[in-house]
Amino acid sequence: AQSVTQLGSHVSVSEGALVLLRCNYSSSVPPYLFWYVQYPNQGLQLLLKYTSAATLVKGINGFEAEFKKSETSFHLTKPSAHMSDAAEYFCAVSRRALTFGSGTRLQVQP
Amino acid sequence: DTAVSQTPKYLVTQMGNDKSIKCEQNLGHDTMYWYKQDSKKFLKIMFSYNNKELIINETVPNRFSPKSPDKAHLNLHINSLELGDSAVYFCASSQDNGGTDTQYFGPGTRLTVL
Repeated sequence: AQSVTQLGSHVSVSEGALVLLRCNYSSSVPPYLFWYVQYPNQGLQLLLKYTSAATLVKGINGFEAEFKKSETSFHLTKPSAHMSDAAEYFCAVSRRALTFGSGTRLQVQP
Repeated sequence: DTAVSQTPKYLVTQMGNDKSIKCEQNLGHDTMYWYKQDSKKFLKIMFSYNNKELIINETVPNRFSPKSPDKAHLNLHINSLELGDSAVYFCASSQDNGGTDTQYFGPGTRLTVL
């Protein structure tokens, strides 16, 4: 079965600092991986997805993620955090439906 | 022009009642889903329909019954509501069933069972 693990339920960074949210996957076949963001009291919005076309994936709002098969990782990064990035972030793997990680809450301090 | 819409947004009800949540998508997608998000924010697939056919039915109590009258609609009916059913329920849709297709989520329905 495919699964993802998100390391760190809470991450706090200062505005302008690097954002790094960690996700490791477990899959016996090449996975399709996604990062979604959930703002308070809203639905989920796709940030980016890996579909085996390129290992470095660029998404919306300046986020990107790199697929590393040797490390079974798909970490999400953003060079400079903005206050508006504060939200819950979910890594997910897809087969017939999305299997989500437990989520990471990102706080951005002024 | 909302892509995936759900009604109601909030639902407060007593234990033992029966309630329904409705979902509609105007994206022309073939597949629709119901996900449950619990109080710890954990998200889990419940059901999926492709062209009105049930293709995913996870280990959900049979008090939950999805119905898809057409490709654009997927409703969720819940009988004999229990305290543990309190959660946020998200509808989603995608062009194909799983794989690389992006799933588009509705705003969620927050169900509170008293």
